[in-house]
Amino acid sequence: SSELTQDPAVSVALGQTIRITCQGDNLGGYSVSWYHQKPGQAPVLVMFGDKNRPSGIPDRFSGSRSGNTASLTITGAQAEDEADYYCNSQDSSSGQYVFGTGTKVTVL
Amino acid sequence: EVQLVQSGAELKKPGESLRISCQGSGYTFRNYWIGWVRQMPGKGLEWMGIIYPDDSYTRYSPSFQGQVTISADKTSSIAYLQWSSLKASDSAMYYCVRRDGSGWDFYFAYWGQGTLVTVSS
Repeated sequence: SSELTQDPAVSVALGQTIRITCQGDNLGGYSVSWYHQKPGQAPVLVMFGDKNRPSGIPDRFSGSRSGNTASLTITGAQAEDEADYYCNSQDSSSGQYVFGTGTKVTVL
Repeated sequence: EVQLVQSGAELKKPGESLRISCQGSGYTFRNYWIGWVRQMPGKGLEWMGIIYPDDSYTRYSPSFQGQVTISADKTSSIAYLQWSSLKASDSAMYYCVRRDGSGWDFYFAYWGQGTLVTVSS
């Protein structure tokens, strides 16, 4: 079965830089999108097409991809960036959508 | 403004049936795929399946095939997720999402507010 693996939890000091990774053996040609979810809220799209920010998302968020690993970087993390982050893509063989295992980001 | 508005929270007993809904507005509903996502308490997001309202073509995640039914009424701009016999393990928050993008680049820019389903005797 297809899987997207993320580190369970990462912490960052206020104003510092954090990188969250998403690794999937079957990523193939499909791009990766990223979502953050704060407690009690629906997820929100923060990155699509590997590296494109939706309107309204601060430019401290950036995305990249190298082979089977995608990354979301927050440069100058703010307290409001504390959330769970999930990647999403499609399995190259089945075409099924899959979410990553999720990363809990804590801003200290 | 694109909106996905879901039906309210449900409290059901094991064995009961249930259908929850997702009303789309602010766009041409039939032309965008609608997906469903499960989030069990304290857990991550799980992809359930997706439907194209114009022709009701549906694809299910293998984990949910045969466990739920996804349908859509394009004339009313509503997508549905239904169970014929609920289990306690179906207790979760369920989100509907609109698929955007094309080619190799798909993403979910619009999410419903979620429907909390609780199954308890």
